[in-house]
Amino acid sequence: DAMVIQNPRYQVTQFGKPVTLSCSQTLNHNVMYWYQQKSSQAPKLLFHYYDKDFNNEADTPDNFQSRRPNTSFCFLDIRSPGLGDAAMYLCATSRDREYEQYFGPGTRLTVT
Amino acid sequence: EDQVTQSPEALRLQEGESSSLNCSYTVSGLRGLFWYRQDPGKGPEFLFTLYSAGEEKEKERLKATLTKKESFLHITAPKPEDSATYLCAVQAYGQNFVFGPGTRLSVLP
Repeated sequence: DAMVIQNPRYQVTQFGKPVTLSCSQTLNHNVMYWYQQKSSQAPKLLFHYYDKDFNNEADTPDNFQSRRPNTSFCFLDIRSPGLGDAAMYLCATSRDREYEQYFGPGTRLTVT
Repeated sequence: EDQVTQSPEALRLQEGESSSLNCSYTVSGLRGLFWYRQDPGKGPEFLFTLYSAGEEKEKERLKATLTKKESFLHITAPKPEDSATYLCAVQAYGQNFVFGPGTRLSVLP
């Protein structure tokens, strides 16, 4: 089945220690998104790639970076995680910007 | 600024007790309204897209409707497995999705 895969499902990191989350897709979609979701809140868009074109949301902290080396993979790098960065990180894909988005299972990040 | 609110925040139903969830929005130039289901600890699962006022979509016990200011997700004769958080998102032309905070639905056997 075509899908969006996120690894790892659970990640524990120490305060200030860099961490990388990964996302892959078999849907061959052009657009990939990274969202942050805290408990009982709406998903918050961090950035998205339209093909190789990177789009950063204005209020995304500089601490967050992303890479998309090819169509299938996208990475979220958190350079110096703080306690406030503990959240569920969701990767999503869509065929184009104005189509429904399909989400992966998420990575739950804990910062100690 | 585009805004989405959802009500109620939480809803408890008995199995078989039909009800509706509300998604109210303000957006300049609606491109689409999207409903998702999210189980605890998982990513949102796509349910429906609605594009214009008057449109309706159905899937099993769920029916989504759209007006110019709001959307309803009607749940008919719910079962315990329908328990989840239901999110709606709106998209204006040329803009990203804006998600609402969700409605937590619990269906008791």
